[in-house]
Amino acid sequence: ILNVEQSPQSLHVQEGDSTNFTCSFPSSNFYALHWYRWETAKSPEALFVMTLNGDEKKKGRISATLNTKEGYSYLYIKGSQPEDSATYLCAFVVAGNMLTFGGGTRLMVKP
Amino acid sequence: GAVVSQHPSWVICKSGTSVKIECRSLDFQATTMFWYRQFPKQSLMLMATSNEGSKATYEQGVEKDKFLINHASLTLSTLTVTSAHPEDSSFYICSARDQGEEQFFGPGTRLTVL
Repeated sequence: ILNVEQSPQSLHVQEGDSTNFTCSFPSSNFYALHWYRWETAKSPEALFVMTLNGDEKKKGRISATLNTKEGYSYLYIKGSQPEDSATYLCAFVVAGNMLTFGGGTRLMVKP
Repeated sequence: GAVVSQHPSWVICKSGTSVKIECRSLDFQATTMFWYRQFPKQSLMLMATSNEGSKATYEQGVEKDKFLINHASLTLSTLTVTSAHPEDSSFYICSARDQGEEQFFGPGTRLTVL
């Protein structure tokens, strides 16, 4: 059983704050790491697919880094806005493309 | 972007009935579709992987006779929960993949079995 953990489970920040959260995963048999943003009553939306150690990806105010040797990825949000409120999921992928999800970090941004 | 729909979004049924959930890729052909289940306060757990025209591959602990999966076309997969019981109450969500790495998710179906 692959153990993918996300921390914290939930996070409350003020509008304008920058924040980050962690996804940790097994460091062996790594193929890829996916990040998703999941708003209530909507489909999870793919943010990043990360494959190489040292990868850094950016989409607007959101960025992510990857360390496959130590088995973690960080997701950063700069200047959080209320519309960033969502659950952020990471999913670890071994060969065969099966996604193993973490429990998610629920972010709430207060105006 | 790629869009995946699910129907119904919410279903309540009596114990013993069967429920069918549809997953459609609206603007791309999905060679592979995945079915996940999420119990309260838990992660999304993969139930099965289905490729168009072939039998689904079920994860350990998932009963294939209880959760029937049909992937008859490149845009449609169905999950039928047969003889549903209260312990089957959960959130079921599908995803679809074309030739690439990315999986595109539907919005999910909440099943409540009374």
